[in-house]
Amino acid sequence: SQQGEEDPQALSIQEGENATMNCSYKTSINNLQWYRQNSGRGLVHLILIRSNEREKHSGRLRVTLDTSKKSSSLLITASRAADTASYFCATPSGGGADGLTFGKGTHLIIQP
Amino acid sequence: EAQVTQNPRYLITVTGKKLTVTCSQNMNHEYMSWYRQDPGLGLRQIYYSMNVEVTDKGDVPEGYKVSRKEKRNFPLILESPSPNQTSLYFCASRMTGKTEAFFGQGTRLTVV
Repeated sequence: SQQGEEDPQALSIQEGENATMNCSYKTSINNLQWYRQNSGRGLVHLILIRSNEREKHSGRLRVTLDTSKKSSSLLITASRAADTASYFCATPSGGGADGLTFGKGTHLIIQP
Repeated sequence: EAQVTQNPRYLITVTGKKLTVTCSQNMNHEYMSWYRQDPGLGLRQIYYSMNVEVTDKGDVPEGYKVSRKEKRNFPLILESPSPNQTSLYFCASRMTGKTEAFFGQGTRLTVV
């Protein structure tokens, strides 16, 4: 079952600009992760934010989490051409599965 | 180097011809899983394994089998592939209770 839903589906910006992607989810979670996928390649873990955190930074990445709205955002500052990729949020699947449920992703294109 | 290795990376096969996609991880992770990725549908979990000899169905298990005889290996078996199984497949592993998942590079399967 789909848990996270990213918005927008696609985003094209100029190099140097900031990119913001959003993720909404349906059920209570104890953490949320963001992953990046370069074209046709495996997903790479970027950052995790726990339910008791509101904001987290890692280099040019800033993630926020609003548990009351069941939403998260990923901000990439000073974008570079190499940031062109698809970005996915992932939440715990719940139950006993210990798995992750991924959204459909935001495809980000950085124009040089 | 810590990694998840899938083979083959690309495969074109005919309907009904049994195939196996291998997955191996060198991180001693208990948890392994298989996903398929399709346009507009995101990543969907096929099967997962919590440990050796422990496997369970994910969201889209029909037409697939898995086995977990050793901790490091988690092959995906398509006994009788059909064209609707044409997709991009990813194997992932993680330490139970830990959150970051490590992904293989993907296997692009085409069934004609």
